[in-house]
Amino acid sequence: DIVMTQSQDSLAVSLGEKATVNCRSSQSLLNSSDKKRYLAWYQHKAGQPPKLLIYWAVTRKPGVPDRFSGAGSGTDFTLTISSLQAEDVAVYYCQQYSSTPYTFGQGTRLEIK
Amino acid sequence: QLQLRESGPGLVKPSETLSLMCTVSAGSLRSDSHYWAWIRQPPGKRLEWIGSIYHTGRTFNNPSLQSRMTLSVDTSKNQFSLRLRSVTAADAAVYYCARHPLEELLETFYFDSWGQGTLVTVSS
Repeated sequence: DIVMTQSQDSLAVSLGEKATVNCRSSQSLLNSSDKKRYLAWYQHKAGQPPKLLIYWAVTRKPGVPDRFSGAGSGTDFTLTISSLQAEDVAVYYCQQYSSTPYTFGQGTRLEIK
Repeated sequence: QLQLRESGPGLVKPSETLSLMCTVSAGSLRSDSHYWAWIRQPPGKRLEWIGSIYHTGRTFNNPSLQSRMTLSVDTSKNQFSLRLRSVTAADAAVYYCARHPLEELLETFYFDSWGQGTLVTVSS
């Protein structure tokens, strides 16, 4: 199985500052045929279901604010919030969908400093 | 806007069968563009994909659960279901149903809509 590791269990950032969440996969998520990176990011707020933010590592789901962006290579990925807002407090998960079973990171809890 | 809602017993005895249903509203389970999935999160642990089903009945299962699980779909009721046999305490979790797309006729396993989740406890 591909193991997804998020380097921070928690992260505290001041309002208006940039927040960067890191994720590493145990195998490359870059498909050599279609050149796509099979990685998604989710936001999970307390009492709500997870919400898809980013897929194909860089594609923002329609309706997601443009302060959220994704980047990365074959095994190392980042989710960046350019200017942290109070409503961004949540747990953020990365997920690979390159090969079954499709696996998630352990989550990074983002808080306001 | 698409809505998914999980339902089922919140308490299951060890060794018995967990049965959950997901009802889809404001959307059709017969969509040619989507699969329907179950995902769970045990307390304090990461999310775990359980399996996915298409309206034709085609399934993809997590190998770690495959021997104990059955997915089914009832398009007439716009519902799909999960049965997990011989449960133990390790199966206690919040269970979510979700949707994921077909892109260019290929199954892609990122989950673009989720239900609220239902908590299942395993205890005698």
